[in-house]
Amino acid sequence: GESVGLHLPTLSVQEGDNSIINCAYSNSASDYFIWYKQESGKGPQFIIDIRSNMDKRQGQRVTVLLNKTVKHLSLQIAATQPGDSAVYFCAETPKAAGNKLTFGGGTRVLVKP
Amino acid sequence: KAGVTQTPRYLIKTRGQQVTLSCSPISGHRSVSWYQQTPGQGLQFLFEYFSETQRNKGNFPGRFSGRQFSNSRSEMNVSTLELGDSALYLCASSPGTGRYEQYFGPGTRLTVT
Repeated sequence: GESVGLHLPTLSVQEGDNSIINCAYSNSASDYFIWYKQESGKGPQFIIDIRSNMDKRQGQRVTVLLNKTVKHLSLQIAATQPGDSAVYFCAETPKAAGNKLTFGGGTRVLVKP
Repeated sequence: KAGVTQTPRYLIKTRGQQVTLSCSPISGHRSVSWYQQTPGQGLQFLFEYFSETQRNKGNFPGRFSGRQFSNSRSEMNVSTLELGDSALYLCASSPGTGRYEQYFGPGTRLTVT
């Protein structure tokens, strides 16, 4: 498969455990945030988004938390499965930037059986 | 609904040549954004097109250009290729410019030798 990052931070998690992936952003004007999952050889896949008027949003097995005070975003994956093994990216954009996303460096998640 | 398609999937070019990559967005989507992904720099925004007009531009040299057609299909062109242009080029489509979810295609892997 294609390498999306040679020196990514890696999170190893046991199958069935919960995973927490963290992301710090720097632009205090950012008000829309997205988490993407990228598997080897594929483009990023949308997971969940959150706007700055919320501090928590839940999807299927995933929860995103936003702390605007410290400019921190996290993605929680419940009951992690082998299919969750991938690289996860957070992305942000301020209102003035429209669809111009700024991506974080990514975190590799490895699920151990 | 068909996803975002990109052609070709793989390309090998020589320094100094030029290349054109194509992207067909999800039906009904009018915004197309392009990103470059490399192990060293991660995912970086190139430009966004909406209704055949460039709406946003990233910090790339003028050798990188794009356009969008009336059917929302988009092309990007890189002239006078350099070794450092080797990357995965990703296209993302979105319904509009109001910071909606962006859906990525599988990418075009460009190798410059």
